[in-house]
Amino acid sequence: SQTIHQWPATLVQPVGSPLSLECTVEGTSNPNLYWYRQAAGRGLQLLFYSVGIGQISSEVPQNLSASRPQDRQFILSSKKLLLSDSGFYLCALEQGAKEKLFFGSGTQLSVL
Amino acid sequence: QKEVEQDPGPLSVPEGAIVSLNCTYSNSAFQYFMWYRQYSRKGPELLMYTYSSGNKEDGRFTAQVDKSSKYISLFIRDSQPSDSATYLCAMSGGDSSYKLIFGSGTRLLVRP
Repeated sequence: SQTIHQWPATLVQPVGSPLSLECTVEGTSNPNLYWYRQAAGRGLQLLFYSVGIGQISSEVPQNLSASRPQDRQFILSSKKLLLSDSGFYLCALEQGAKEKLFFGSGTQLSVL
Repeated sequence: QKEVEQDPGPLSVPEGAIVSLNCTYSNSAFQYFMWYRQYSRKGPELLMYTYSSGNKEDGRFTAQVDKSSKYISLFIRDSQPSDSATYLCAMSGGDSSYKLIFGSGTRLLVRP
């Protein structure tokens, strides 16, 4: 069965500090992977989408970036965090169709 | 106007009640309609997946789509305290776009 590993579960970072969130998947090969952000009381916002190694589509212009160095690894980064980067970050993979997403357990990021 | 509107709740019901959760949308191109359930501090999980109009039933859950009214519903029969969660509707146009549009979620509390 498919598994998504996201860590850490909770992160508190000062404004202006760098960020690196890692997502690794198991039980599947060549998955389509997504990074979503969920702000308090709001829906999920798609940040990045990847169909393979080195292939990244950015949905929203911002100070975040993503990389896919390996087939089952998807990394979300920032050089300098802003207060508005606070939120719940979720990694997801497609299960047979883009409408059927399987989500990881997420990282709650607080930028102070 | 948001593409997808969803009442944030919270909706509080006694155990055993029938629950009705709803979303309205504005984009007539949407063809796929999903409901995701999200427990506190967890990633969403796919609950129901529907194509075009009509009803789909899975156990105590029924998803209903009315494309003429641009309105979708999720019914939960014999609600249980374990159903307490946030329910997110999501939809997509079925085209080459990889993007799902999520509602902001309705928080449901089922009281024992």
